[in-house]
Order: sequence, then structure tokens, then C-alpha cells
Amino acid sequence: GAVVSQHPSWVICKSGTSVKIECRSLDFQATTMFWYRQFPKQSLMLMATSNEGSKATYEQGVEKDKFLINHASLTLSTLTVTSAHPEDSSFYICSASRLARAYEQYFGPGTRLTVT
Amino acid sequence: AQTVTQSQPEMSVQEAETVTLSCTYDTSENNYYLFWYKQPPSRQMILVIRQEAYKQQNATENRFSVNFQKAAKSFSLKISDSQLGDTAMYFCAFMSGTGANSKLTFGKGITLSVRP
Repeated sequence: GAVVSQHPSWVICKSGTSVKIECRSLDFQATTMFWYRQFPKQSLMLMATSNEGSKATYEQGVEKDKFLINHASLTLSTLTVTSAHPEDSSFYICSASRLARAYEQYFGPGTRLTVT
Repeated sequence: AQTVTQSQPEMSVQEAETVTLSCTYDTSENNYYLFWYKQPPSRQMILVIRQEAYKQQNATENRFSVNFQKAAKSFSLKISDSQLGDTAMYFCAFMSGTGANSKLTFGKGITLSVRP
């Protein structure tokens, strides 16, 4: 149980376009979802925290107008990278947790974004 | 703010040997959780072990065990009988409290290589 999926697993887009990444909890209701960014050989950097039906809380230094996060249901959160540029190329990982066991975060497999 | 420090960027161990990965953290809180995550080349984050700060007993999961020293704010991971499949990046992480939006703070990670 407690499986999180991400789609797509790999996406290539042209500079200036927008790309949407989906994060789904497949067998549980996710009260909270988290979005991370990871560069090669580096640690995970938390971008934002989202709760179903509420606006996301962004970490300091993360542009909320560039990284749009929507948590429309208890099983789906989306991250949209708007007007993508090559420096946005990275590995994006989502995780999800349940209210009753908030200390457990279940991670998705990640999405590799390449902006050309 | 909490910080997690992993000072060793890389380690190598012979197959079947034992290796210890170091981690220290800084917090003023009394109620928190500590984690070790494994990230193999697939980049899927895998929970290795979790320690609740209020528990004095060190957590163990098969070949994986921790040495939790609360006063020293130290949380090391011992891997016994190392296997080739243990080759991965390992992250130490901290989570405060039990609130719904409890965030994970990661260390920089350590790359572990198991030699055949």
C-alpha cells in the first residue's frame, strides 16, 4: 500500500513553453503533498507544501508564479512549470502523507524535466 | 530552523563488510523524527529506517540499525553484511512534531559504493 505515482517520468520541452507534472496517491487519500527539486548528486530541496483545496505554501526563494501547484483532490496534485527555461531542467519529486500518519511521507518515482 | 549535516560525501565498503554513515542535526525541539532514506540509481526514494526521538531504543530493520544519541544530536546508520544492492545515495532527514504539514529537512547525502 501507500503508492505514489508521477506522470510523466521524463519530459522534454522547448524554452518558453509550460509543462505539467502530475502526482497521484494511488491507494490512499493524501492530506498533504510535497514537491521537491533535485539536481544531480545533490539533496532534495523542498519547493512547496500543498493541502487539498488550499493554496500551496512555497519555500523561500521559490517563485510561486513560475511553479504553479494545484492540489484539487485528495489523490492528485499538479506542478506546472510556466515559461520553462534551461535552468529549470531538473528532477522533480513529489511525496504525499496522510493526516493520521503525518510522519510518513511516500515518494513518487520522480520526473526528469529537460528544457531545450 | 533545523539543520542536518552529513559531512562525508562518499564512502566505499567491501561486500559483506559493515559500514557506518554519520549524521548530526541541530534542533531546539524535543519531539521529532529522524530518518534514513536510500536513493538508488533509479532515483526512487526508499525509506530505510525511522527513529522517534522519544524512544530510547535504537531502531533496527534487518541489516540496518541506527545509533541515536539524542544529547549529542547524532544519528548514524550502520549497514551490516553490505550487499551490492546497497550501492546508492543515502540521505539523513529530520521531521519536527506531528503536524499535518510536517516537513522533511534533508542532509546533503552520502554516496555509498559497495565493492564486489
